[in-house]
Amino acid sequence: GAVVSQHPSRVICKSGTSVKIECRSLDFQATTMFWYRQFPKQSLMLMATSNEGSKATYEQGVEKDKFLINHASLTLSTLTVTSAHPEDSSFYICSAIGGTPGLHTDTQYFGPGTRLTVL
Amino acid sequence: TQLLEQSPQFLSIQEGENLTVYCNSSSVFSSLQWYRQEPGEGPVLLVTVVTGGEVKKLKRLTFQFGDARKDSSLHITAAQPGDTGLYLCKAAGNKLTFGGGTRVLVKP
Repeated sequence: GAVVSQHPSRVICKSGTSVKIECRSLDFQATTMFWYRQFPKQSLMLMATSNEGSKATYEQGVEKDKFLINHASLTLSTLTVTSAHPEDSSFYICSAIGGTPGLHTDTQYFGPGTRLTVL
Repeated sequence: TQLLEQSPQFLSIQEGENLTVYCNSSSVFSSLQWYRQEPGEGPVLLVTVVTGGEVKKLKRLTFQFGDARKDSSLHITAAQPGDTGLYLCKAAGNKLTFGGGTRVLVKP
């Protein structure tokens, strides 16, 4: 099956610093990638959708200047949390939809998540 | 308000017991997916149900899609501690529509 990786898996940073999280599709080309946020014991909440080579589409209530998304290639998307604060501490998960023949184009393949803790 | 309502929100059972998780909506979906997520990991796709009335089995897990394609259920027979996790239903192809999740705890 399709594999999506995230790096780092855990990150601890000081308040006010920026953190970059990478999401890679390892064995397929991801036409679209999604970034989710998950608080403890809750479901996934979509933050933004990114298509390779174009600007990300942010969901209502998500600050695009705070959560910078770059999708520079068909296998890599990055989420940068700028000027992080303790309330940004969360589990960030990416997913990708593949454009490779053989992969269901409506199936999202999820990364393992990144635990961000802002002190 | 979730477009997909899952119930119950939390379920704690003893090993060997059966359990059922429900995913309901007032909307019709072309297909629904079930995921399981363990703490500190991303969701893993279990199954996609496509046809109204469809039943799919995955070992001790049985998934059913309602005839009207508005609801789905997940039944686990003889649950084991390894079944512990957060079960999520999602409308396939719709990035927004995750259910609220059902947290299942199977105690040995």
